Amino acid sequence: KNQVEQSPQSLIILEGKNCTLQCNYTVSPFSNLRWYKQDTGRGPVSLTIMTFSENTKSNGRYTATLDADTKQSSLHITASQLSDSASYICVVSSFSGSARQLTFGSGTQLTVLP
Amino acid sequence: GAGVSQSPSNKVTEKGKDVELRCDPISGHTALYWYRQSLGQGLEFLIYFQGNSAPDKSGLPSDRFSAERTGGSVSTLTIQRTQQEDSAVYLCASSLALATDTQYFGPGTRLTVL
Repeated sequence: KNQVEQSPQSLIILEGKNCTLQCNYTVSPFSNLRWYKQDTGRGPVSLTIMTFSENTKSNGRYTATLDADTKQSSLHITASQLSDSASYICVVSSFSGSARQLTFGSGTQLTVLP
Repeated sequence: GAGVSQSPSNKVTEKGKDVELRCDPISGHTALYWYRQSLGQGLEFLIYFQGNSAPDKSGLPSDRFSAERTGGSVSTLTIQRTQQEDSAVYLCASSLALATDTQYFGPGTRLTVL
């Protein structure tokens, strides 16, 4: 069964600090992995998308890594800001023939305090 | 604007009624996704349209759920004989075409079944 597990479930940090969110998956066959940021009451916003051959991808203060061998991904946030408070969701896509399956993690709720 | 739009933003209905939710994707996007997010839960994939191909319905929870995409643009998600457990935020996303293309989400429709 395809699964995506995220840790921690919740995280509280002080403004200006760095943090790293983890995503472990057992999805096969693997197509790509995405990280989304979802503010409360809003739709998710795509941060990064990584395919099998990509190890690192950055989007401003967000840097995602992917280790396809260990099936692990991380999202590193540098110099956190209050606006980073949100739920961060890891999604792994598999694509076999014409069938697409998206497996979602339950998210990490990040709170940045002043 | 040029983003994904959804209507209505909120829908309250009585158990047993049918509802229709609408999604207007970004112009030129051939891929369209429907997701559901229940209170306190992660995103749940429902259905995926890609161009003129047969939709991937693997995520639909029951035969009460159906979706159409007319003319390769606007999509309608229909829930028949609504149940209280159908209460959730229904999110629509569109992307250009490829599995690796960024998905852009609409603001969602909050459905409440009384």
